[in-house]
Amino acid sequence: KAGVTQTPRYLIKTRGQQVTLSCSPISGHRSVSWYQQTPGQGLQFLFEYFSETQRNKGNFPGRFSGRQFSNSRSEMNVSTLELGDSALYLCASSLEGRGTTEAFFGQGTRLTVV
Amino acid sequence: GESVGLHLPTLSVQEGDNSIINCAYSNSASDYFIWYKQESGKGPQFIIDIRSNMDKRQGQRVTVLLNKTVKHLSLQIAATQPGDSAVYFCAETGRGGKLIFGQGTELSVKP
Repeated sequence: KAGVTQTPRYLIKTRGQQVTLSCSPISGHRSVSWYQQTPGQGLQFLFEYFSETQRNKGNFPGRFSGRQFSNSRSEMNVSTLELGDSALYLCASSLEGRGTTEAFFGQGTRLTVV
Repeated sequence: GESVGLHLPTLSVQEGDNSIINCAYSNSASDYFIWYKQESGKGPQFIIDIRSNMDKRQGQRVTVLLNKTVKHLSLQIAATQPGDSAVYFCAETGRGGKLIFGQGTELSVKP
């Protein structure tokens, strides 16, 4: 069974640009969550999608958005990039999400904003 | 507010010894508390969880203890091996089921 796949693995962008990251969950999983990981703030929840609907949202500005497709694949977008957006962005999938503790994480996308 | 914190940022143990990683949490309403392991270059990997109405749960070489009185969670790893070297995160299920992670403890196992 394939794991969670995130693309690309590494990305370098310039301030002001926008970026789109992709996540393919484990087959059959309907919940996809996104997390930002930085040395200073640790792992912080961005949002969760379930059946193409955003079901939960963290405390990030509106520049961070996402969506989920009918095949459960998810994308997150960051517009008007800032230096502080440099981080490892992790995607996690689970069967149902809510009430589930065993989320399966991808390897992440390392975003560097210069 | 919601927060989960760790007492120690780094822990160094000798191979074969037992390791204890600690965590403090603040949200008493969480249903589950979980431990994740993150190796370099990889995403976090689920280790073990414990429901809030339990105080102890054992897995393979790992035991999680939950003390709700002092809002403390710990992960015990028996006979620590070099492959256990990683960053360990405690997490709790927050509102809507999202995971709230602590800052992490880096475990280093000396051969």
